[in-house]
Amino acid sequence: GEDVEQSLFLSVREGDSSVINCTYTDSSSTYLYWYKQEPGAGLQLLTYIFSNMDMKQDQRLTVLLNKKDKHLSLRIADTQTGDSAIYFCAESNRDDKIIFGKGTRLHILP
Amino acid sequence: DSGVTQTPKHLITATGQRVTLRCSPRSGDLSVYWYQQSLDQGLQFLIQYYNGEERAKGNILERFSAQQFPDLHSELNLSSLELGDSALYFCASSPDGETYEQYFGPGTRLTVT
Repeated sequence: GEDVEQSLFLSVREGDSSVINCTYTDSSSTYLYWYKQEPGAGLQLLTYIFSNMDMKQDQRLTVLLNKKDKHLSLRIADTQTGDSAIYFCAESNRDDKIIFGKGTRLHILP
Repeated sequence: DSGVTQTPKHLITATGQRVTLRCSPRSGDLSVYWYQQSLDQGLQFLIQYYNGEERAKGNILERFSAQQFPDLHSELNLSSLELGDSALYFCASSPDGETYEQYFGPGTRLTVT
């Protein structure tokens, strides 16, 4: 079945760039997403990319999609303490089912 | 604040019981989604409704059911509860059923003892 994999933890120094990686298996993915979950809160959609795009930039966020390798990444420039959260990669296909990764916990070092 | 509300915030119940979780979508949103987040299974899509009709189904157990009412609020019913059903249950809504524009509620934490 479809699967989305991402590393569980990432530590980054404040001010550096964070890069969170994700791989997926579904070749019929239509959209790929990055969600942010802060402690005790629901998920917040950060950004999404259509499967026929290879890059999307939105302020400090850059999403790169390598469709051939089924690899998605989220780069956060100038990482701040407020970026500390769990980041979920997800994909959806024509069946409208959305599959999430297990989440990457981003820890910011002072 | 996403505009999606969920009640109750916390729920503690015993095995074998039945509970109902409620979700009110953002004003004007026609579609509602339910998700379960647990430590071992991660975040899983359960079911989607669009304007009262079931639209997509994920890993929803037969003991679970949902519906969307004419006023567009939705309820998720969980019956014959087991310890493994303890989780955070999220509801999300979107304006027209497109998965790329979902707004999540704060969740209901269910503890089964």
